[in-house]
Amino acid sequence: AQTVTQSQPEMSVQEAETVTLSCTYDTSESNYYLFWYKQPPSRQMILVIRQEAYKQQNATENRFSVNFQKAAKSFSLKISDSQLGDTAMYFCAFLPYSGAGSYQLTFGKGTKLSVIP
Amino acid sequence: DSGVTQTPKHLITATGQRVTLRCSPRSGDLSVYWYQQSLDQGLQFLIQYYNGEERAKGNILERFSAQQFPDLHSELNLSSLELGDSALYFCASSPGGGRPYGYTFGSGTRLTVV
Repeated sequence: AQTVTQSQPEMSVQEAETVTLSCTYDTSESNYYLFWYKQPPSRQMILVIRQEAYKQQNATENRFSVNFQKAAKSFSLKISDSQLGDTAMYFCAFLPYSGAGSYQLTFGKGTKLSVIP
Repeated sequence: DSGVTQTPKHLITATGQRVTLRCSPRSGDLSVYWYQQSLDQGLQFLIQYYNGEERAKGNILERFSAQQFPDLHSELNLSSLELGDSALYFCASSPGGGRPYGYTFGSGTRLTVV
């Protein structure tokens, strides 16, 4: 079974500053994906960024980037130039890929991020 | 709009009752997933259907059941409801088959059991 740990229940950052959210995971799988999802007050689950474990290069999506350390089983999210609209719950999620077509996400407990004007 | 449609958005019902939550996947997606988000348990996987057949089962109670119809929409049935079943229920869909690109969530159904 997989576990995903987000050790920071709440964080805050000044607008335009940079913040890093932490995530660690535990698995015996060799093929997997990692995700960061954002859940704003509207409660919609929005995909922020995805990382395939077989890729060494860290994923980036505009102001969002990850630091993927496979050996350490660490997957942190860096948000640059923070904006008020980034205020949300952020969930780290793990998805093992077996090729059998069963794709269950395991989520961390979430980090509540507040961007302060 | 993510393309995944969930109805109703809100539902209030009494203990012991039965409710049905509906999900229409994104066009072209064959897999449907159900997740429960509660304050104490966080986000938990319940069940997955692929092209009408059950593919994987997670922490789904025996009082809960689901199915996927030929038109690929899915329903999650919750019966003998208890106060602890109050939660946000998400449906997600993906193309299925190969690698899980395009895993997309709906906006959820907020269930309140009173």
